[in-house]
Amino acid sequence: DAKTTQPTSMDCAEGRAANLPCNHSTISGNEYVYWYRQIHSQGPQYIIHGLKNNETNEMASLIITEDRKSSTLILPHATLRDTAVYYCIVRVNPSGSARQLTFGSGTQLTVLP
Amino acid sequence: GAGVSQSPRYKVAKRGQDVALRCDPISGHVSLFWYQQALGQGPEFLTYFQNEAQLDKSGLPSDRFFAERPEGSVSTLKIQRTQQEDSAVYLCASSFYRVPSSGNTIYFGEGSWLTVV
Repeated sequence: DAKTTQPTSMDCAEGRAANLPCNHSTISGNEYVYWYRQIHSQGPQYIIHGLKNNETNEMASLIITEDRKSSTLILPHATLRDTAVYYCIVRVNPSGSARQLTFGSGTQLTVLP
Repeated sequence: GAGVSQSPRYKVAKRGQDVALRCDPISGHVSLFWYQQALGQGPEFLTYFQNEAQLDKSGLPSDRFFAERPEGSVSTLKIQRTQQEDSAVYLCASSFYRVPSSGNTIYFGEGSWLTVV
């Protein structure tokens, strides 16, 4: 699976949009971009994933560049409860199997009041 | 419940003691994963089951670590003769095998916090 690069930490004001970048310059055509977050003392929580098109769900939006070498996770209105470590992961979904996720160090997002 | 359930939530073991950690995956999920997360680090893969078959155990750190899923649902991670470096959070995750046209999302439990003293 391709390696990802994320900033170590970021701050965001409560109520503002949080934009978390991720570089995955060696991504292959069949690799998906996944985002998970981990709130302190909890297990990782799935947020969103995409292949090439931008995606949106009730938690966040995922913007993937046209060349797919980078992406941005957007939390449109950050709250204090969004303070967590955010992991960007690229992963293949091959036919007939489920592949494990390979976590990096992630970005510690701190939402400030 | 609807999520991945793990027990015990917290475990303190004396060095040399054997421990067993249980995972109840989401009902109907075929794939089950175990991860180890040391303090301040991201989770690291230990082993993977598809139904009762252990298809990948490349992440198990030593032969003191053993995992099983005999009936393809509940799984147990066993650590024999625990050592202080085994202190970590042990996360279980599951996913439902689907056709690859959609993402194969993995859902995590809250983890079992193991402290070896």
